[in-house]
Amino acid sequence: AQTVTQSQPEMSVQEAETVTLSCTYDTSESNYYLFWYKQPPSRQMILVIRQEAYKQQNATENRFSVNFQKAAKSFSLKISDSQLGDTAMYFCALLNTNAGKSTFGDGTTLTVKP
Amino acid sequence: DADVTQTPRNRITKTGKRIMLECSQTKGHDRMYWYRQDPGLGLRLIYYSFDVKDINKGEISDGYSVSRQAQAKFSLSLESAIPNQTALYFCATSDFGAGYNEQFFGPGTRLTVL
Repeated sequence: AQTVTQSQPEMSVQEAETVTLSCTYDTSESNYYLFWYKQPPSRQMILVIRQEAYKQQNATENRFSVNFQKAAKSFSLKISDSQLGDTAMYFCALLNTNAGKSTFGDGTTLTVKP
Repeated sequence: DADVTQTPRNRITKTGKRIMLECSQTKGHDRMYWYRQDPGLGLRLIYYSFDVKDINKGEISDGYSVSRQAQAKFSLSLESAIPNQTALYFCATSDFGAGYNEQFFGPGTRLTVL
């Protein structure tokens, strides 16, 4: 069985500052992907960033970057220059490539304050 | 036009009623999924399908059934709805080919069982 743990139910950050959301996971698989999804109040699930487990280089998408520590099974999301539109719930997810199924964490609600 | 659509978007029903949630996609993906989201929890997998003839139970399939009518359509049924099935339901698709592994989500169906 695979698990994903997000230990921060709620976080807040001032506009323009940087915030890091934590995610740890556990899997016995060697082939997997990790994702961060954003769910704004509109409830639509939106992909923020993804990381292939076989790649050592941390993924980056504009203001969003990850710190992937494979040995520690840690996958944190850093949001730089936070914007009001970043206010949302963020979910960490682990895709078991062989089984084709994903496991989601319970989410972190991020509030960006003006 | 939305790539993954769900109908209805909102539904209120009574205990014991049969209800069907429908999902359609124009992305051409083979893989489709149904998830349930409860407040404070992440997405939990109900059923998933890798093609029209391949249906699999997820972690919380009791009380639900599915039908994959075509590659583009995947329906979720509650045969006899009960109040603890009140939740937000998401359909998702993914394409395992060409290295793309993220899931694309529909807008969600908010279901209330009275």
